[in-house]
Amino acid sequence: DQQVKQNSPSLSVQEGRISILNCDYTNSMFDYFLWYKKYPAEGPTFLISISSIKDKNEDGRFTVFLNKSAKHLSLHIVPSQPGDSAVYFCAASSTQGGSEKLVFGKGMKLTVNP
Amino acid sequence: DTGVSQDPRHKITKRGQNVTFRCDPISEHNRLYWYRQTLGQGPEFLTYFQNEAQLEKSRLLSDRFSAERPKGSFSTLEIQRTEQGDSAMYLCASRRDRAGNTIYFGEGSWLTVV
Repeated sequence: DQQVKQNSPSLSVQEGRISILNCDYTNSMFDYFLWYKKYPAEGPTFLISISSIKDKNEDGRFTVFLNKSAKHLSLHIVPSQPGDSAVYFCAASSTQGGSEKLVFGKGMKLTVNP
Repeated sequence: DTGVSQDPRHKITKRGQNVTFRCDPISEHNRLYWYRQTLGQGPEFLTYFQNEAQLEKSRLLSDRFSAERPKGSFSTLEIQRTEQGDSAMYLCASRRDRAGNTIYFGEGSWLTVV
């Protein structure tokens, strides 16, 4: 079963506007969440993370919001730039469960148009 | 600070042959991970090492797969008797102890089984 879901396969936005990427999870044991960006034929690059003790984390143009009651997180990119065009993966882990495994969503392709 | 290094970047092999991938983690990162990614999917956890000890293995890691990290530095992932379903990108990642759950990926090794 898909414990981390990225329900929209793609998003297209104009340069300078906001990009909002969504992610839902089902496992209530997850308490640490990450976003990775991936270009074709490269490995994922870490962007930003958030612990379940917070509801927001910001790093430059990237902000991640966590809604634990809804089991939902989102990544906001403001302003969006053409270089942000990539596939974005949401990932989750349980730091208390004894497992080191990150569970990834299927990814979402973001296209930022000049 | 050099990143995670993987070799080879691309490998084409005939079904039934054995292949081996090598991963050199970021210096001083004692935790090392292997993931697999197929088209349209997010990375899937295979196995994890803390120093030279293999502490966690996924059910995805069939008995044709073996991973080692003999001296707690580089790691190898061997696939014996390859099958077409093994075609994927094999990703290595690493992190330090007590540095949060964020892992840093290498550029991956593409395997095509023909």
